[in-house]
Amino acid sequence: GEDVEQSLFLSVREGDSSVINCTYTDSSSTYLYWYKQEPGAGLQLLTYIFSNMDMKQDQRLTVLLNKKDKHLSLRIADTQTGDSAIYFCAESRTGTASKLTFGTGTRLQVTL
Amino acid sequence: DGGITQSPKYLFRKEGQNVTLSCEQNLNHDAMYWYRQDPGQGLRLIYYSQIVNDFQKGDIAEGYSVSREKKESFPLTVTSAQKNPTAFYLCASRDRAPNYGYTFGSGTRLTVV
Repeated sequence: GEDVEQSLFLSVREGDSSVINCTYTDSSSTYLYWYKQEPGAGLQLLTYIFSNMDMKQDQRLTVLLNKKDKHLSLRIADTQTGDSAIYFCAESRTGTASKLTFGTGTRLQVTL
Repeated sequence: DGGITQSPKYLFRKEGQNVTLSCEQNLNHDAMYWYRQDPGQGLRLIYYSQIVNDFQKGDIAEGYSVSREKKESFPLTVTSAQKNPTAFYLCASRDRAPNYGYTFGSGTRLTVV
């Protein structure tokens, strides 16, 4: 079945860039997502990318997709303390009948 | 504004009790989902529904039940058969094109006392 893997923890200094990595196994993945979860809250969709794209940029966020290696990354430029949260990678096939498969989440800690 | 509302935010259950968690959406989404999240862990799928009056078991359905009588509502009942119910429960609904992503509620934290 589908599997999505992430490292558990990342610590960066405020103002530096953060890079959170994700690998997935389903070669039929069409949509890939990044979600953010703050303590005690639900998940918030940050950005998504279609599998026919290599890169997507949205303000401080850059998503890179290497479809050959099934590797997805999220870069956060100029990381702030408010970026401290858990970041989940997820993948899905086309259509609402398909479920999202989530990774285990990467906890990002931003230090001063 | 459209969104998903989960209630209550905190819920306490005594041993042997059934409790029901509410999930309501006004996004006109067809598909809805229930996940369980334990401390330091990812999301595990309990049940999902792609259309009214139909639902399927997820990966950890034992001890839980759901209903989908209305498009807007997908309540989850945690029964006494669920031996370790203390967790954070998240409800989500799935968007349509272009991104087909999930919109999540703010969660219900259930504690057994």
